[in-house]
Amino acid sequence: EAGVTQSPTHLIKTRGQQATLRCSPISGHTSVYWYQQALGLGLQFLLWYDEGEERNRGNFPPRFSGRQFPNYSSELNVNALELEDSALYLCASSSQGNIQYFGAGTRLSVL
Amino acid sequence: AQRVTQPEKLLSVFKGAPVELKCNYSYSGSPELFWYVQYSRQRLQLLLRHISRESIKGFTADLNKGETSFHLKKPFAQEEDSAMYYCALHSGGYQKVTFGTGTKLQVIP
Repeated sequence: EAGVTQSPTHLIKTRGQQATLRCSPISGHTSVYWYQQALGLGLQFLLWYDEGEERNRGNFPPRFSGRQFPNYSSELNVNALELEDSALYLCASSSQGNIQYFGAGTRLSVL
Repeated sequence: AQRVTQPEKLLSVFKGAPVELKCNYSYSGSPELFWYVQYSRQRLQLLLRHISRESIKGFTADLNKGETSFHLKKPFAQEEDSAMYYCALHSGGYQKVTFGTGTKLQVIP
């Protein structure tokens, strides 16, 4: 069974551009979570989607947004990129029981 | 607001020594607590959760509501235990999941 897949693996952008990150959950999982892992800050919760709806979001500005598609895959969009957005972005999925299964991440570099 | 604190960024122990990775949380209700682990070049994965009350790879963790702690313990460290460990709290429903900043465990041969 395929795990959580994220694409692209690496993404290089310049300040002010937009970035789109993608996540495909494990088959049968309806929840997708997004986290930002910046150096020295651990995992910061970004967004939680379940059944196509945004269920919760962390303390991030509105330029961080996303959506979940009918097939439960998800997109994270970051607009007006800033240097401090450079980080590893992790996606996780879950079904019931709150156990999260993580992808390998997308490393976003903002120059 | 819920918070998870892992006071140690790095914990170095010798092989065969006991290990205790500390996790303290702040939350007024009844949280669900987890330990996740990330081995070198692998994905973050669940190690154990408090409601399971099981031992995984020799690790155990007991929820102490009085001390608001969920420390991870192992009586005898192995080299393969070297990894990054994250404590996480989920307060139920669609409340957000809060992770600690992680502790890097280094087991010295």
